Amino acid sequence: DAKTTQPNSMESNEEEPVHLPCNHSTISGTDYIHWYRQLPSQGPEYVIHGLTSNVNNRMASLAIAEDRKSSTLILHRATLRDAAVYYCILRDQGTYKYIFGTGTRLKVLA
Amino acid sequence: GAVVSQHPSWVICKSGTSVKIECRSLDFQATTMFWYRQFPKQSLMLMATSNEGSKATYEQGVEKDKFLINHASLTLSTLTVTSAHPEDSSFYICSADTSGSSKNIQYFGAGTRLSVL
Repeated sequence: DAKTTQPNSMESNEEEPVHLPCNHSTISGTDYIHWYRQLPSQGPEYVIHGLTSNVNNRMASLAIAEDRKSSTLILHRATLRDAAVYYCILRDQGTYKYIFGTGTRLKVLA
Repeated sequence: GAVVSQHPSWVICKSGTSVKIECRSLDFQATTMFWYRQFPKQSLMLMATSNEGSKATYEQGVEKDKFLINHASLTLSTLTVTSAHPEDSSFYICSADTSGSSKNIQYFGAGTRLSVL
């Protein structure tokens, strides 16, 4: 199973942009890149996903490197409610399985 | 987004008893559901893949006789922890896959915290 590597933790000031990096050097050609976030004692919440092109939605943007070996989740203006553990996950298109890495704990400072 | 309901949200049981956790997809049909376990301050660990109408597929190291999975309909999967022991205490989370739709993602339940005394 392909794996992802993320920094353990990051900090951001409120209302500033946040760039959360993820390395996935063993990604295969059909693996989609998915991002979720998890608040304490809750299930993960879908944020965004993509294959090759950069993606935008109301929550965030996803920038994917040209070689697809890394990606960056961009929160344009961090709020206190964005404090969570963010997981970068590769979705196996054959089994649909997600293999979670350790995630990045984002702390947002007021 | 799609809603996945997980019940109960919290359960306390005595050692040796069995506990059943339900996972329902409320507004879409899910051929495939997944069960995860999460210990404090750790990431989610995939336990098994639940396929509607067929046997579940368990990840390596997960005891299939201890963690019974039934996926009898396209909207319901259940996980039964049999003869629970204190080491089974954990946060159990299910997800439902939207494979076959244009989205192809998993939606997660809110989780069930199991405490075995």
